[in-house]
Amino acid sequence: VTLLEQNPRWRLVPRGQAVNLRCILKNSQYPWMSWYQQDLQKQLQWLFTLRSPGDKEVKSLPGADYLATRVTDTELRLQVANMSQGRTLYCTCSSGQGARDTQYFGPGTRLLVL
Amino acid sequence: AQSVDQPDAHVTLYEGASLELRCSYSYSAAPYLFWYVQYPGQSLQFLLKYITGDAVVKGTKGFEAEFRKSNSSFNLKKSPAHWSDSAKYFCALEGRGTGANTGKLTFGHGTILRVHP
Repeated sequence: VTLLEQNPRWRLVPRGQAVNLRCILKNSQYPWMSWYQQDLQKQLQWLFTLRSPGDKEVKSLPGADYLATRVTDTELRLQVANMSQGRTLYCTCSSGQGARDTQYFGPGTRLLVL
Repeated sequence: AQSVDQPDAHVTLYEGASLELRCSYSYSAAPYLFWYVQYPGQSLQFLLKYITGDAVVKGTKGFEAEFRKSNSSFNLKKSPAHWSDSAKYFCALEGRGTGANTGKLTFGHGTILRVHP
């Protein structure tokens, strides 16, 4: 059973250009949504957890700047800017407040820098 | 601060052998611990988790893991291994805090498992 959809599934991003990603929740029983990045060395890093529509957060990490928005109960967005190296972005969902609840990963969006 | 260490970047064995992937953690309180598997070109799949209680937890695909508080470990095991188990395995920790740490999984660097037929 598919819990999450992510689009696009991949994107070539010209250096200096921003890209917008979407994650759609298919099961309302898992309302806690998060973003993770996986770098080219396959290292995974938590970025954000957003529960309520209207929640926004920003973060700057080595290699990219991020803006995450919980748009609705079923849609989570991520803007990636100033990306210097490719990476894959995964959204996750869980049923409770995150702690101890299983997080289920979406299929991911792979970003490559031109 | 919390951290997860998977000391073996690669593990190779033959089909039919027993596998054990090592994971140790550092956290000031009792942690929640998870194992995920990532097949080549795919996303992460949940295998199992430890919350509390019994030290051995069973998960999907025939895997189990043993929580040992005495040495802060949570090793993943399966016997016998199958060639289809070849993948990258990640151990993860979630602290029992709230607020900024809610929903935050801290991952180890992962172990690539190769099972030869």
